[in-house]
Amino acid sequence: AQSVTQLGSHVSVSEGALVLLRCNYSSSVPPYLFWYVQYPNQGLQLLLKYTSAATLVKGINGFEAEFKKSETSFHLTKPSAHMSDAAEYFCAVSEGAAGNKLTFGGGTRVLVKP
Amino acid sequence: DAGVTQSPTHLIKTRGQQVTLRCSPKSGHDTVSWYQQALGQGPQFIFQYYEEEERQRGNFPDRFSGHQFPNYSSELNVNALLLGDSALYLCASSLAAGYSNQPQHFGDGTRLSIL
Repeated sequence: AQSVTQLGSHVSVSEGALVLLRCNYSSSVPPYLFWYVQYPNQGLQLLLKYTSAATLVKGINGFEAEFKKSETSFHLTKPSAHMSDAAEYFCAVSEGAAGNKLTFGGGTRVLVKP
Repeated sequence: DAGVTQSPTHLIKTRGQQVTLRCSPKSGHDTVSWYQQALGQGPQFIFQYYEEEERQRGNFPDRFSGHQFPNYSSELNVNALLLGDSALYLCASSLAAGYSNQPQHFGDGTRLSIL
């Protein structure tokens, strides 16, 4: 069975500082990995995806994530936080095709301080 | 290009009642998945529909059922509502397994409150 663990339910960063959100997964087969962002009262928006191509994945809004098989990790980073990055972020894993079910982590809420 | 649309946006029901939520997938998508997101938690997979059949199911009781129509739209039905069913219900659409690089696209959800 696949699972996702996000370390830290809340992260506070200053505007302009590095954003680092941690995600570890377990999967019995090579996984597909995703990061989604959720703004208040909205659904989930895809930030980026890893589907067995390059291990460093670039997404929207300046975010990127690195797949490390040896560490079973897929951490999300952004070099310089902006106030608009305040939201909840979810890491998710899918075994096999993207049409298959997603298993989500518990989420990390990001607060950006001016 | 319309994305995933869900209706209604908010719904209030009482315990024991039944509810139907609706979802229209993104244009070109043929697979619909439903998720339940309780307050402060990540979404939990309920089930997935493709070719009008339930293809996968998560750990939810039979009170949760669904349907997919020929135009790929979908309904989620919940019977005998419990207080614990209060949550944001998210619909996601995608292409079928043959297009493995396509991620799931989410709607804005239906907020269901049980009194």
